[in-house]
Amino acid sequence: DVVVTQSPLSLSVPLGQPASISCRSSQSLLYHDGNTYLTWYHQRPGQSPRRLISQVSNRDSGVPDRFSGSGSDTDFTLKITSVEAEDVGVYYCLQGSHWPPIFGGGTKLEIK
Amino acid sequence: QVQLQQSGPGLVKPSQTLSLSCVISGDSVSSTSVIWNWIRQSPSRGLEWLGRIYYRSTWHNNYARSVEGRITINPDTSKNQFSLQLHSVTPDDTAVYYCVRDVHGTYNSYDYWGQGTLVTVAS
Repeated sequence: DVVVTQSPLSLSVPLGQPASISCRSSQSLLYHDGNTYLTWYHQRPGQSPRRLISQVSNRDSGVPDRFSGSGSDTDFTLKITSVEAEDVGVYYCLQGSHWPPIFGGGTKLEIK
Repeated sequence: QVQLQQSGPGLVKPSQTLSLSCVISGDSVSSTSVIWNWIRQSPSRGLEWLGRIYYRSTWHNNYARSVEGRITINPDTSKNQFSLQLHSVTPDDTAVYYCVRDVHGTYNSYDYWGQGTLVTVAS
């Protein structure tokens, strides 16, 4: 199976400062149809994961534009331009290009 | 707006069967444009995809290797729901279980999640 590795495991960011989370895959996530199926989720304590971004960089409806996704091949990044209090929780990436779908281990974001 | 409402017991004894249901509103279990999944989350395993069911003229299933042979996912079209059965459970199956929707062609990009059910396997 593909191995998906997130870093860092946790980060502490002051309000209003940027944050960046890395997601690396052991195999290229470029699918034969030309798309890359890498998704980002945010999970607050006690809640179900919420999808933020699909296909590397497509924000879901209602997701603030301070969230952006980028990357290609095996290296992907989720960036928050200015962290707000509601952004705390755990962020997960998910690769869907290879079978079976595999989630990263998560990155916990807290406010400093 | 799609909503997924889960139900089922929170405590299961070792060697017994874990059974959960997921009622769908705002979509159809028989839709040919979606796929219905079960995912679990535990501290030891993280988020783990377990299996899926979808309808394309006939019903199809796929299961994770880690649970294949112990898992069954079935549709119930009369109630617009789908279910998970995990047989011969052990304490290692203790987790929060989610039912989740995937839209055909998005390749495992799950957009709607149930509220989650914490299932503890203990005697």
